[in-house]
Amino acid sequence: DAGVIQSPRHEVTEMGQEVTLRCKPISGHNSLFWYRQTMMRGLELLIYFNNNVPIDDSGMPEDRFSAKMPNASFSTLKIQPSEPRDSAVYFCASSLVDGGEQFFGPGTRLTVL
Amino acid sequence: AQSVAQPEDQVNVAEGNPLTVKCTYSVSGNPYLFWYVQYPNRGLQFLLKYITGDNLVKGSYGFEAEFNKSQTSFHLKKPSALVSDSALYFCAVRGASNYQLIWGAGTKLIIKP
Repeated sequence: DAGVIQSPRHEVTEMGQEVTLRCKPISGHNSLFWYRQTMMRGLELLIYFNNNVPIDDSGMPEDRFSAKMPNASFSTLKIQPSEPRDSAVYFCASSLVDGGEQFFGPGTRLTVL
Repeated sequence: AQSVAQPEDQVNVAEGNPLTVKCTYSVSGNPYLFWYVQYPNRGLQFLLKYITGDNLVKGSYGFEAEFNKSQTSFHLKKPSALVSDSALYFCAVRGASNYQLIWGAGTKLIIKP
């Protein structure tokens, strides 16, 4: 298996622009997580999907952030409009069972100028 | 509430010496504990987990961790450190919600030749 795939690996954009991050989880995994990692706040869970359904979005910072999972093999995290404070590394992870080990993608490094 | 603490921001070890990265936890119920490693510009990689059974858990890259219920600790260990072990290490515990992992702040491990 190729593992969790994320694209793009790097994104540089200007404040106010829309940003879309993409994730393909490991085939057969029914749980998907979006995280944000910064030096100041460490690793933060943004949203959790189970069987394509959003279960917990309490970590989504504000309405500018939205996430979808239209099918078992694809998820997006969208920021609209983006702001400089959104600059971070965004990780997608998937797991086979709730509470089990999570497998992380390589991350998307987002820079908002 | 479930929580995990990594008391050391950084650990320095000479190559060939044993290493320990500390983790303590607080949970209600039986703990599910995990260790992950993050190399620069990479996603987190699963190293090992404890759910039940033998208190000494063996994982990837020669790492092991010892579960100590009385001290509520789950320290990561390796008998002989390699320079290539230099990375950021995260301890995590399964949260009360079952699907969520509660993450430590991370410990930077530096192995000097």
